[in-house]
Amino acid sequence: AQTVTQSQPEMSVQEAETVTLSCTYDTSESDYYLFWYKQPPSRQMILVIRQEAYKQQNATENRFSVNFQKAAKSFSLKISDSQLGDAAMYFCAYSKNFGNEKLTFGTGTRLTIIP
Amino acid sequence: DTGVSQNPRHKITKRGQNVTFRCDPISEHNRLYWYRQTLGQGPEFLTYFQNEAQLEKSRLLSDRFSAERPKGSFSTLEIQRTEQGDSAMYLCASRPQGADYGYTFGSGTRLTVV
Repeated sequence: AQTVTQSQPEMSVQEAETVTLSCTYDTSESDYYLFWYKQPPSRQMILVIRQEAYKQQNATENRFSVNFQKAAKSFSLKISDSQLGDAAMYFCAYSKNFGNEKLTFGTGTRLTIIP
Repeated sequence: DTGVSQNPRHKITKRGQNVTFRCDPISEHNRLYWYRQTLGQGPEFLTYFQNEAQLEKSRLLSDRFSAERPKGSFSTLEIQRTEQGDSAMYLCASRPQGADYGYTFGSGTRLTVV
């Protein structure tokens, strides 16, 4: 079974600084997707960034980028120029590339932005 | 379309009562998922529909839980004889078929069993 591990329950960063959230996963599949989702206090889960395992190039979305290390099964999220609106729970998630594509989530990292 | 809609937002019920939640997905999304999120944890998969067919159920979905998606549109999740351990956030998500499309989540239904 696939598992996703987030070893940082809480992180904090000064506004405008850079922070990296860690995620490791375990799977026997060779083709899969990895995601970072943001869950603000309003509760709705929002997709931040997605990475296809077959792509070697790390995904980037504006201030958000990932460091995908397939051999190490590591998938970290870097947030540059942190803003107050980035404060939220961040969940790393995995899905197979076929079938029902259900998501397996980690336990989350609570990110606090210090003004 | 304003996204995935879930009702009610909050539900408080007494132990032993039955509750039903509703999810209205984005209309063109044929896949619909239910997840459960307890405090301090990530969401856990419960069940999945493709159109009106329920194609997978997690072992977390005991016999007291039933989900339906009549006509492949909205979905309901019913919990019979609620227990305190059922207290959680129940999240619904939908997506179109195809690997290039991501999920859209609803805001969830917070269930408290007293």
